Amino acid sequence: EVQLLESGGGFVQPGGSLRLSCTASGFPFRSYAMGWVRQAPGKGLEWVSAISGIGDKTFYAESVKGRFAISRDNSKNTVSLQINNLRGEDTAMYFCAKEMDSDGTFPFDYWGQGTLVTVSS
Amino acid sequence: IQVTQSPSSLSASVGDRVTITCRASQSLSGYLNWYQQKPGKAPKLLIYDASTLQSGVPSRFIGSESGTDFTLTITSLQPEDFAIYYCQQTFSARRTFGQGTKVEVK
Repeated sequence: EVQLLESGGGFVQPGGSLRLSCTASGFPFRSYAMGWVRQAPGKGLEWVSAISGIGDKTFYAESVKGRFAISRDNSKNTVSLQINNLRGEDTAMYFCAKEMDSDGTFPFDYWGQGTLVTVSS
Repeated sequence: IQVTQSPSSLSASVGDRVTITCRASQSLSGYLNWYQQKPGKAPKLLIYDASTLQSGVPSRFIGSESGTDFTLTITSLQPEDFAIYYCQQTFSARRTFGQGTKVEVK
């Protein structure tokens, strides 16, 4: 059974940093790209970032490029999202998701339950 | 690439045929997916590549495309189908979601 468990969310002041993590199980982790999608309270889904199976390709939404960094550790079945210089508009539930292939350009077929990031002074 | 989803909400009854549309700003070569999200839950993949039903998804969900227009049809709405539906393009490396369509009880 595929499982994705996010952690690392919390309350942070503007300008601060957080590192979100997602631990995966139930599938050959290195064979699949992983990504992050966020959802501000009461709003729609926003694709944030993705990373290929072996980590050689990374992709970012324009709104986060330069502030967010995605990485993965295939020896630990984890994918992380480093979030820097946090802004109020970064307040959201952050979902970790598994892609259907290794490339980093496929749909997400499994999702975690999310970790909440709140940015406020 | 922009994807414009419509309507933003609709009211329907159990048994109704429901149609949701996404229009892309350019050709997606069929790389358009549909997700369902229920309150407090993660999204669920329903259809990928415009018309391929994800494993385990009921056959009442049908996806189609015509040029840059993509449609999700629920042929006979069931009680468990009241939710928010999102389209997502995976043609470009920077994937984008539509704005969402809330399907409510009439």
